[in-house]
Order: sequence, then C-alpha cells, then structure tokens
Amino acid sequence: ETGVTQSPTHLIKTRGQQVTLRCSSQSGHNTVSWYQQALGQGPQFIFQYYREEENGRGNFPPRFSGLQFPNYSSELNVNALELDDSALYLCASSPPGGGNTEAFFGQGTRLTVV
Amino acid sequence: DQQVKQNSPSLSVQEGRISILNCDYTNSMFDYFLWYKKYPAEGPTFLISISSIKDKNEDGRFTVFLNKSAKHLSLHIVPSQPGDSAVYFCAASDYGGSQGNLIFGKGTKLSVKP
Repeated sequence: ETGVTQSPTHLIKTRGQQVTLRCSSQSGHNTVSWYQQALGQGPQFIFQYYREEENGRGNFPPRFSGLQFPNYSSELNVNALELDDSALYLCASSPPGGGNTEAFFGQGTRLTVV
Repeated sequence: DQQVKQNSPSLSVQEGRISILNCDYTNSMFDYFLWYKKYPAEGPTFLISISSIKDKNEDGRFTVFLNKSAKHLSLHIVPSQPGDSAVYFCAASDYGGSQGNLIFGKGTKLSVKP
C-alpha cells in the first residue's frame, strides 16, 4: 500500500509566476485536502476535493485553485505568486465512508517565492 | 482568531518520564480531535484521536484526555523516549475528522533528553 506522495519536494519561484503542485493519494483514498504551513505555524486548510469536485474551502483567495483526477490524484495551482505564499504545502488523503478517521499526509512541497 | 491553541511552543522532558502536551479550543461545535507528530522534512503523522463523546482514549504509550466543559485536551506520553522528540500538533474538526477540514494549533516542540 503506497502512501501519499507529493512532487516536487522543493521549488523556487519568482513573485508573479504561477506554480502547480501535485499529490498522489494513498491507495483507496478518494478525498484529498490541501494545507499551507507557514514557518512557525500549524497547517492551514486551503480546500478539499471529493469525487473530482471541491468539497470545502478555507480562507484563501481564488488564485489558489485545484483539481482532482479520476484516479483521485490532485493538483494545487497558485497564480500570481506573492512572497507570503512561501510555505510548506501539504496534501492529505482520507478513505471513503466518512466517519471519524484520520487524514494521511504527504511529506510536503517546500515553496519559496523570491 | 485562533480556534485551536497550543500555548506552549516547547517542552523538554527526561527520558522515561511523562510528557504532557496541552491544547485548548474555542469552538464548541468541534466533535473530533486528533494529535499529529511531525519530524523535520516529513509530513505530519497521525498519532491518536478522540471523539467528543469520549473523555479518554489510549493507544500504547499515548493517551488523550478530553475535558469538554473546559474545552481542553491533553496528550500524555508515558514513558517518553528520545524518538518522541518532534513537533506535536493538536487538530480539531466539526465534520467527523476525515470529511471536513482540520483546524490545527501552532504546535509544541517536544524534546526528550536521554
């Protein structure tokens, strides 16, 4: 059983550019959530995808967008990058069926905006 | 306005002793609470959870206590081991954990000294 994998692990972008981060969910998991973790902070919920549709969104502007594919993998896209977007971006997947189960996190993508 | 608060940024404990990590929350709608452990350069790893209908959950060396009236939960690690040294995040959810977003505290860095 493979875990949650994210790519790339590190990325440097220039302010104003666009970036795409990728996540492969754990086998059998159909729900993917994205989190942003700034330095010294806890992860902050960006949005969640379930069955290829957005299923909840945190307090992030529209330039943060996402996709989920039929195989449940997901992308996070950020347009018009700002210096404050520099953070660790975490993807988490959850199994189907709902209920009280934990989310499994990938190792994250460290994005630096210069 | 932080809904989940971990007021101790760091904690140092001697190997073999008990580690107690604390977490307070403000939203009475939270119905599920989780603890995650995070090593540097890795994603958060699920440790233990508790539903709001319980006041204690135990898993090996880890026990989580929930005091709903005080909106407080704590994680006890007994006995503490050097490998437990990591950042510990408290998280809460109002959608049963896996289908809703998780709201994290800022974390407590635990150092277990040999």
